[in-house]
This record gives sequence, C-alpha cells and structure tokens, in this order.
Amino acid sequence: DTEVTQTPKHLVMGMTNKKSLKCEQHMGHRAMYWYKQKAKKPPELMFVYSYEKLSINESVPSRFSPECPNSSLLNLHLHALQPEDSALYLCASSQDGPGDRGEQYFGPGTRLTVT
Amino acid sequence: GESVGLHLPTLSVQEGDNSIINCAYSNSASDYFIWYKQESGKGPQFIIDIRSNMDKRQGQRVTVLLNKTVKHLSLQIAATQPGDSAVYFCAENIGDTGRRALTFGSGTRLQVQP
Repeated sequence: DTEVTQTPKHLVMGMTNKKSLKCEQHMGHRAMYWYKQKAKKPPELMFVYSYEKLSINESVPSRFSPECPNSSLLNLHLHALQPEDSALYLCASSQDGPGDRGEQYFGPGTRLTVT
Repeated sequence: GESVGLHLPTLSVQEGDNSIINCAYSNSASDYFIWYKQESGKGPQFIIDIRSNMDKRQGQRVTVLLNKTVKHLSLQIAATQPGDSAVYFCAENIGDTGRRALTFGSGTRLQVQP
C-alpha cells in the first residue's frame, strides 16, 4: 500500500468556523508533512512531524494547528481562517530512517475555500 | 523554468517527441533531488530521483540529469505521450533525518499534442 489518503476532498468554511483536515498512511512511514499549494504555484512546506513530534514549523500562523495522534495519522486544525488561506492542502509521508533519501509520497489534497 | 506572474512556463511537444524540462535549484547543500508530476486536481506523483553524488539516472522513459556546477537539473521524457501532460516540479531535499524538507521549483506545464 503506497497510498496517502486525505479527507475531506473539498471543504468550504466561513472565517469563524473551526474545521479539521485529516491525513492517513499505512506505509510505516515515520515522517509526515503538511504543504499548502496555491493555484499555479508549487507546494510550500508548512509543518514536518518526525516520529510523532513536530520538527519543523515554517512560521505558519497559529490559526493552523497540526496534530499527530499516532504514526499513521496527521491532522490540521483550522480556526479563524482568512480568504487568502484558500488553497489545496497536501499531506505527504516519508520513511525518515537512517539512509532514507527523503522520498515523499503525497495524498490527493483537500481543496479548501474560505468564505 | 521561472514562473511569470500567474502563468506557468509551458512546453508544448508533439506526441512521440522527446521532452526536456529544466530546473535551477538554489542550495548547493541539497543532497537529493526529485521530479514530481502533478495532474489537475491531484497531488504530486513521484517520477524519479537522484542523489547529489550522481549526475545521471534513468528510469522507464525518463532520465534525470544533475549538473552541480551550475545547480541545474533536467528531466528528459522519451516518446512523450498524451498521458504525460501535467505540471512537472523539481524538488530539492535539505536536512537530515527528522528535519528533512523539500523545496519545490516553480514548475513547468507540459502539453502533449496528439
């Protein structure tokens, strides 16, 4: 199984709503990632979890709150978002072991629209 | 390629021709490079990778070339097919175990004309 799954596929939320994005992988990978991708732009790294601990936060606003409940799951909690946060949110995972090259597998993404 | 405003650079090729997509990377400390293909509405899909101690790697119909002197990466696709139409991103990996991060290039759209 080389699949990373993400739910929901699409999400529309108001600026006062609280919602969560979910990501799951069953490849035994120990690193998981959140990226944000705007239209016609490359993915931009937001967070990295390694062995269920947050190892990189790319100065992301606190209205985005990541959570890694276990090695297979990654959540992104959203609160008080702005319309400019509308984007495709991608989850990825990688082995992150000794000798691992860092190849990341991506999910299909959640298309988020903030109204 | 470099993005110009909101427009991705586009490479148009005829079906059956070879395609070459170029990428300039920024960090001389990067030790690993990946090419991803992204189709509309989907996440990036791994195509091929190369370590910094190599200058060429071949896969099925694809070849990646790395020139560390000028910090340049290219992806060659042989006998391009309509299913190859997508946006292609190069990515460079920086960091060690536990702190690896990919930085993506700006992307090139490949259009294959039947």
